[in-house]
Amino acid sequence: TQLLEQSPQFLSIQEGENLTVYCNSSSVFSSLQWYRQEPGEGPVLLVTVVTGGEVKKLKRLTFQFGDARKDSSLHITAAQPGDTGLYLCAHDTGTASKLTFGTGTRLQVTL
Amino acid sequence: GAVVSQHPSWVICKSGTSVKIECRSLDFQATTMFWYRQFPKQSLMLMATSNEGSKATYEQGVEKDKFLINHASLTLSTLTVTSAHPEDSSFYICSARGPSSGGSYNEQFFGPGTRLTVL
Repeated sequence: TQLLEQSPQFLSIQEGENLTVYCNSSSVFSSLQWYRQEPGEGPVLLVTVVTGGEVKKLKRLTFQFGDARKDSSLHITAAQPGDTGLYLCAHDTGTASKLTFGTGTRLQVTL
Repeated sequence: GAVVSQHPSWVICKSGTSVKIECRSLDFQATTMFWYRQFPKQSLMLMATSNEGSKATYEQGVEKDKFLINHASLTLSTLTVTSAHPEDSSFYICSARGPSSGGSYNEQFFGPGTRLTVL
């Protein structure tokens, strides 16, 4: 099993602050995905990173794939309460398109 | 994006009874669906892969006789928790992937989840 460790596990910040979430593994991946899950709902895909060193931006969210394609980060600028949720990285195992999810980072943004 | 629905959204049942959860792809055909379980404040754990017209493939440690999966059509997969016990209480989430979903990189579209509570 290719384990995806996320850090921190939990983050509570105030509106307007910046934060970074990390997704690390000892394995090399062809791609990594980031999801956000709100309480009582299913995860929603935010982005897929494919190329080592790739940076993708989604409004205030910046995603980076490590040069060696073993890790990824998610940086949120000026966090808002609407950013609250569980952030999950995931990779496609390549076998029947199964996804393996990371351990998750729970973000709480307060006013 | 493609829409996946689940029914019911929540269910409470007595220990020893069976519960069926439906997962439907509303606007696309899904040759493959996946079932996940999520315990409170934890990540998603894949339980099984459901393939239309064939037997489901279960992950290691998941009892196939307890978690019955049927994928009888290209838009519907069902998960039946048989003889449910309190330890089966969890959030069950399905996802769907199909050739006409429009996604790339094996994108899966997730349902809203079903919260099961076994008393």
